[in-house]
Amino acid sequence: QVQLQESGPGLVKPSETLSLTCIVSGDSISQYYWSWIRHPPGKGLEWIGHISYSGRTNYNPSLKSRVTISGDTSKKQFSLRLSSVTAADTAVYYCARTYCSGGSCHLDAFDIWGQGTMVTVSS
Amino acid sequence: QSALTQPASVSGSPGQSITISCTGTSSDVGSYNLVAWYQQYPDKAPKLIIYEVTKRPSGVSNRFSGSKSGNTASLTISGLQAEDEADYYCCSYAGSSTVVFGGGTKLTVL
Repeated sequence: QVQLQESGPGLVKPSETLSLTCIVSGDSISQYYWSWIRHPPGKGLEWIGHISYSGRTNYNPSLKSRVTISGDTSKKQFSLRLSSVTAADTAVYYCARTYCSGGSCHLDAFDIWGQGTMVTVSS
Repeated sequence: QSALTQPASVSGSPGQSITISCTGTSSDVGSYNLVAWYQQYPDKAPKLIIYEVTKRPSGVSNRFSGSKSGNTASLTISGLQAEDEADYYCCSYAGSSTVVFGGGTKLTVL
């Protein structure tokens, strides 16, 4: 059974860089797309970006200048870096897998999610 | 890329049917049959219940169904049950390998 687990600091200071890692168990990350999604308190979900099985990345245009997603297939993990954070970046951060079948990936469909990790931006 | 528009809340009585709308633009919902719906309970991760507008993942109740017309997608829950009380989010492919979510709808079962 595939499981995802986020890890990283729960508190980040304003203007610093938020760094999170998602460890994948039960599957290889050399297939599928792997995303970061966040949920600010009292607001809706926001897609941050993803890394594909080939290492290609795509980002939310509103966050693109501050986001880097990278992957390590040998460690079966992928990571998020979000620079110059402000209080507006306070959220529960999820990693998630895009559903793929029959050689086709359904980019609207996140079928496996981590439990989420709360990150607060505060001095 | 703006968030998709959903009603903030909907409600219904047990056994009834409800529909949640999700309005986008011709750049996302209107251009692709790649709209998904997620159910989220408090302090839990979202769960995929509909993808590609109408498809249900294995194990999801057939009381959940999806549709789309123009720039608006809809989720219908029939035979409403107390356990359906949750937040629901739509999500659409928006081109260039990007995705956009809706603002979420809180469903209350009366």
